[in-house]
Amino acid sequence: QQQVKQSPQSLIVQKGGIPIINCAYENTAFDYFPWYQQFPGKGPALLIAIRPDVSEKKEGRFTISFNKSAKQFSLHIMDSQPGDSATYFCAASDNDSGNTPLVFGKGTRLSVIA
Amino acid sequence: DAGITQSPRHKVTETGTPVTLRCHQTENHRYMYWYRQDPGHGLRLIHYSYGVKDTDKGEVSDGYSVSRSKTEDFLLTLESATSSQTSVYFCAISQTGVDSPLHFGNGTRLTVT
Repeated sequence: QQQVKQSPQSLIVQKGGIPIINCAYENTAFDYFPWYQQFPGKGPALLIAIRPDVSEKKEGRFTISFNKSAKQFSLHIMDSQPGDSATYFCAASDNDSGNTPLVFGKGTRLSVIA
Repeated sequence: DAGITQSPRHKVTETGTPVTLRCHQTENHRYMYWYRQDPGHGLRLIHYSYGVKDTDKGEVSDGYSVSRSKTEDFLLTLESATSSQTSVYFCAISQTGVDSPLHFGNGTRLTVT
């Protein structure tokens, strides 16, 4: 049973466009929602994270939108650049459960073309 | 990369042989994790550790075992490698385990022939 569903699997946008990656979850106990970015040949790295007490968080060109009632969250990349081409993973965890590790979505491969 | 070294970086082995992958950290983080990454499946947790000698299973633990005798080292063993275990394996560490960032190594590409 997949706990975090991510879409789309792949995405191609023009430079300057705004790619949007969506994630949905079922477990209402989840209370931490990070996004990771992975370049080829490297391990994933934390990009931005949000907690359910806010509906939006922005860091530079990256924004997370969070909809608690719909149990969905999404990543928006403003003014996308070819250097943003990477695989993006959403994740979730339940902090109150102590050692419970992050659960990841299946990833979205983003290509930004000039 | 946050003081995480995975070894080897690449390995080719034959079906039925045991294989051990090593993760070494210099950050003194309490939590360590082993994930595998496969096309179409994303990152799946194999095992994790929340302290020396304290480990627990993840969602795809069958066929794998782990050991952590020191804070800095977390070993992943494939007891008898199968072709379905061909994958890229990532080690990750985190300081507190809950809502603290995971820092990943650069992975080990394992091919089982």
